Amino acid sequence: DIQMTQSPSSLSASVGDRVTITCRASRSVIKYLNWYQQKPGKAPKLLIYTASRLQSGVPSRFSGSGSETDFTLTISSLQPEDFATYYCQQSYSTRSFGPGTKVDVK
Amino acid sequence: EVQVVESGGGLVQPGGSLRLSCAASGFTFSDYWMSWVRQAPGKGLEWVANIKQDGSDKYYVDSVNGRFTISRDNAENSLYLQMDSLRAEDTALYYCARDLAWTNGRFDSWGQGTLVTVSS
Repeated sequence: DIQMTQSPSSLSASVGDRVTITCRASRSVIKYLNWYQQKPGKAPKLLIYTASRLQSGVPSRFSGSGSETDFTLTISSLQPEDFATYYCQQSYSTRSFGPGTKVDVK
Repeated sequence: EVQVVESGGGLVQPGGSLRLSCAASGFTFSDYWMSWVRQAPGKGLEWVANIKQDGSDKYYVDSVNGRFTISRDNAENSLYLQMDSLRAEDTALYYCARDLAWTNGRFDSWGQGTLVTVSS
């Protein structure tokens, strides 16, 4: 099984800040890495797939990068609606999620 | 509009069984892999199982393998999760999600979930 880790587990930021979240896989997942956003009481929403491809309808302030074992989600300018928990997920070998990164108000 | 709607959750005693259902609409159900993902209260997401378009391939997370069975009925546009020998740690909100492929899969449509509580 492929284990996923994320850092940090939580962060505090202000509107307009640049936010970076890191995801690491226990072995290579090539580029088969996706990112989701989840708000309280809501289902997760797909943001980025195949490491760097923006899902339709997702604002361009979200971007992803990385390959093999190390990946990054960046929010270029944090907006009020971006306060949420973010999860990475690999799809190279079955499926597994990272533990999540909660982004809250500074 | 792509939509998936889960049902069948509830309170069950440890060792009991429950069958979850997911009704799909707005897309050609038989063209897609489908998955179940769960979230324990206050915790993160955990993928549970997925099933190939024709039902010929099924995969499970280790913690449910041998206890849970995923299935589908393409004629009814429905996905199922039969859960047996339930444990307290299976308590979670169970989501049905469209899974776009085997390798390079991603969950692009989710339901609102159905809550399973395992308690005596």
